[in-house]
Amino acid sequence: KAGVTQTPRYLIKTRGQQVTLSCSPISGHRSVSWYQQTPGQGLQFLFEYFSETQRNKGNFPGRFSGRQFSNSRSEMNVSTLELGDSALYLCASSPRTGSVEKLFFGSGTQLSVL
Amino acid sequence: DQQVKQNSPSLSVQEGRISILNCDYTNSMFDYFLWYKKYPAEGPTFLISISSIKDKNEDGRFTVFLNKSAKHLSLHIVPSQPGDSAVYFCAASDPGNQFYFGTGTSLTVIP
Repeated sequence: KAGVTQTPRYLIKTRGQQVTLSCSPISGHRSVSWYQQTPGQGLQFLFEYFSETQRNKGNFPGRFSGRQFSNSRSEMNVSTLELGDSALYLCASSPRTGSVEKLFFGSGTQLSVL
Repeated sequence: DQQVKQNSPSLSVQEGRISILNCDYTNSMFDYFLWYKKYPAEGPTFLISISSIKDKNEDGRFTVFLNKSAKHLSLHIVPSQPGDSAVYFCAASDPGNQFYFGTGTSLTVIP
């Protein structure tokens, strides 16, 4: 079974631009979550999508948005990029069967904002 | 508001000795706890977990201990190996299956 796939692996953008990151979950997984990892801050939860609906949202500004498609693939968009948005963005999927589960992570997209 | 805390950013241990990584949490509603391991340029991978109704779970060289009264979680690695050098994240989930992660502890196992 293929793992969680994130594209692209690396991105360099300048302030004010926008960026779209993509995530393909493990086949059969219906939930996709996004996390931001920065040094010293650990993994900060951005949002979770399940069956094309945003289920939970973390404490991030509205410049961060996402969506999920009918095939469970998800995209995350960041508009009006700021220097502080430089981070590793991780996507994780889970089956969401209703029982206790664990998250399966992709390798991440390293975003650098100059 | 960090609900899961790892107060030690780094830890160095000699090969063959025990590594103990600690984690504290504040939310008594957490019902499931996990440890993830992360190598550079890779995503975190699941290591071991424990339900809130248990106080110990063992898997090979890895053991997780849960002290609910102290809201404290620890991961023991015995014996430590150089390949264990990585960043370890503690995580907790609530009954809604939302996950909260700590800031990570970078473990270095010295050969």
